Amino acid sequence: RKEVEQDPGPFNVPEGATVAFNCTYSNSASQSFFWYRQDCRKEPKLLMSVYSSGNEDGRFTAQLNRASQYISLLIRDSKLSDSATYLCVVNKNSGYSTLTFGKGTMLLVSP
Amino acid sequence: GAGVSQSPRYKVAKRGQDVALRCDPISGHVSLFWYQQALGQGPEFLTYFQNEAQLDKSGLPSDRFFAERPEGSVSTLKIQRTQQEDSAVYLCASSPVVDTQYFGPGTRLTVL
Repeated sequence: RKEVEQDPGPFNVPEGATVAFNCTYSNSASQSFFWYRQDCRKEPKLLMSVYSSGNEDGRFTAQLNRASQYISLLIRDSKLSDSATYLCVVNKNSGYSTLTFGKGTMLLVSP
Repeated sequence: GAGVSQSPRYKVAKRGQDVALRCDPISGHVSLFWYQQALGQGPEFLTYFQNEAQLDKSGLPSDRFFAERPEGSVSTLKIQRTQQEDSAVYLCASSPVVDTQYFGPGTRLTVL
């Protein structure tokens, strides 16, 4: 079983739609959690951290369920510019960050 | 300010050649990481430096891969006797504190 699993998609949605991505991780000792965004042929960029209490940043909401080892990302009112690959990321070390990435979920937002 | 830079951006090597990939982290960042990203996959951890000390090299796939950061700033990832399976994007990231990593644009290596 892979350490971080995501549905690769692609998710094809129209502008304005709400879309949700899910991710599961296998290491129960994982310390911190993130969503990164990666545009085609570009480097990954941090979208947001994920906390057990849930956190929101504009149209983006992230949730963590430690008991189920499950992470989610909700995007409301999708924009064309949201088209990208969304990477679920887990840090299992307490002392430093060796990030473990999922394969990514591709989102395509169409007019 | 300047972000993480990597050079070359693209490298084509013949199988068996040695290559050296350079990373210039953000000034003052203590931590530096190398990742390998194969086509259609997420980045996979290769190695981690804290200043000049290589604290974790558990992700290096074979002894053909070697990384150094002799003065605690610029880092070089060297791959000896390249193989086709080494073809990937090699990403460098630096960090001032735990968790927040800033990635460079990567070096796309193609081994023929």
